[in-house]
Amino acid sequence: GAGVSQSPRYKVTKRGQDVALRCDPISGHVSLYWYRQALGQGPEFLTYFNYEAQQDKSGLPNDRFSAERPEGSISTLTIQRTEQRDSAMYRCASRVTGLHTDTQYFGPGTRLTVL
Amino acid sequence: RKEVEQDPGPFNVPEGATVAFNCTYSNSASQSFFWYRQDCRKEPKLLMSVYSSGNEDGRFTAQLNRASQYISLLIRDSKLSDSATYLCVVLNFGNEKLTFGTGTRLTIIP
Repeated sequence: GAGVSQSPRYKVTKRGQDVALRCDPISGHVSLYWYRQALGQGPEFLTYFNYEAQQDKSGLPNDRFSAERPEGSISTLTIQRTEQRDSAMYRCASRVTGLHTDTQYFGPGTRLTVL
Repeated sequence: RKEVEQDPGPFNVPEGATVAFNCTYSNSASQSFFWYRQDCRKEPKLLMSVYSSGNEDGRFTAQLNRASQYISLLIRDSKLSDSATYLCVVLNFGNEKLTFGTGTRLTIIP
């Protein structure tokens, strides 16, 4: 595909359930980022990968959140034992850098609602 | 203090006017700066990078003041299609973590 895709686009789950959010970055992009965005706020950094290596996970709120990118392409963000406060838009972005360029391409996001 | 701060607005500006946004950052080690645009219910998209010498792209001008740690965005001859939220983004030296401001909401009025 031409851009970053995410699935599902919408997820409604009950408190206590686990959810897995998928991100398919632009082919060939080395870096992949996960963000959480609350209404009226900018994206909040969660974690990022270069290839399959998780470089920084300092933004993950707690140990219920984890992410992986086993083959350096598709990534999954997993939230275990979801809580109502986890409700938000979860966005991923793939990043391309060069001599005169540094651009993050965002996906459409997954809107997570925890009941 | 937040690492990146922006006036959330909203800014309601008549079509054709000039509007300016400022953004301040707290980490003096910040090395790269960007403005992203986010339309309602859409994903953020890169508007322009901000270079030390300042840069212009059509009606848009970005400036960086490292001494005062602020970044600005100027939009001249504003169009209805400029209505969006403008996000200030900072990349810190030593890691590749990008920090977004809360965004400034702009509405251009016909």
